[in-house]
Amino acid sequence: EPEVTQTPSHQVTQMGQEVILRCVPISNHLYFYWYRQILGQKVEFLVSFYNNEISEKSEIFDDQFSVERPDGSNFTLKIRSTKLEDSAMYFCASSESFETQYFGPGTRLLVL
Amino acid sequence: GENVEQHPSTLSVQEGDSAVIKCTYSDSASNYFPWYKQELGKGPQLIIDIRSNVGEKKDQRIAVTLNKTAKHFSLHITETQPEDSAVYFCAAPKQAGTALIFGKGTTLSVSS
Repeated sequence: EPEVTQTPSHQVTQMGQEVILRCVPISNHLYFYWYRQILGQKVEFLVSFYNNEISEKSEIFDDQFSVERPDGSNFTLKIRSTKLEDSAMYFCASSESFETQYFGPGTRLLVL
Repeated sequence: GENVEQHPSTLSVQEGDSAVIKCTYSDSASNYFPWYKQELGKGPQLIIDIRSNVGEKKDQRIAVTLNKTAKHFSLHITETQPEDSAVYFCAAPKQAGTALIFGKGTTLSVSS
């Protein structure tokens, strides 16, 4: 069964450093998303991406964040200058239509 | 925008019992309601979803009911098993967008 994959599974970085989280969505899907989950809390929407542009973003997704689909398979989330409060699990999701979203296993980001 | 409330936050049952988790939503225009199961250290896994043109949907031991008038939907798990133990999240689409707004989650513990 096709699934969303994410790398790395864990990332530790120093405050102020840039990180890039990578995702490979399900191959025939057209809509891509990033969500985050702070430990013990609910899943929060960050950004959605369709047709090579951002279709929607939340207030969390400020100028420190960017997304890119550099080729036909990868979808990346970049945090330019990480802060302590960026520590969370980051989930990529994809969908064929804009309803049924399938999530990846996540990247655990720890900012020290 | 959409707001999703989920209850209870924790639920403990004996193996073989039924479990019911309830969610309410605020946007009457919402028409798609998924349920996700999240095991420790993993990404949310879609287990069942319902669209507003039906009132109930079943998949083996799992069912979801939807009451559009009251703006609530529920997950029902029958004949619970220890492997059902996980955090369950309901979600609804953000108004006029593709983002999913999640409830705060229910930690289900099934003891044998």
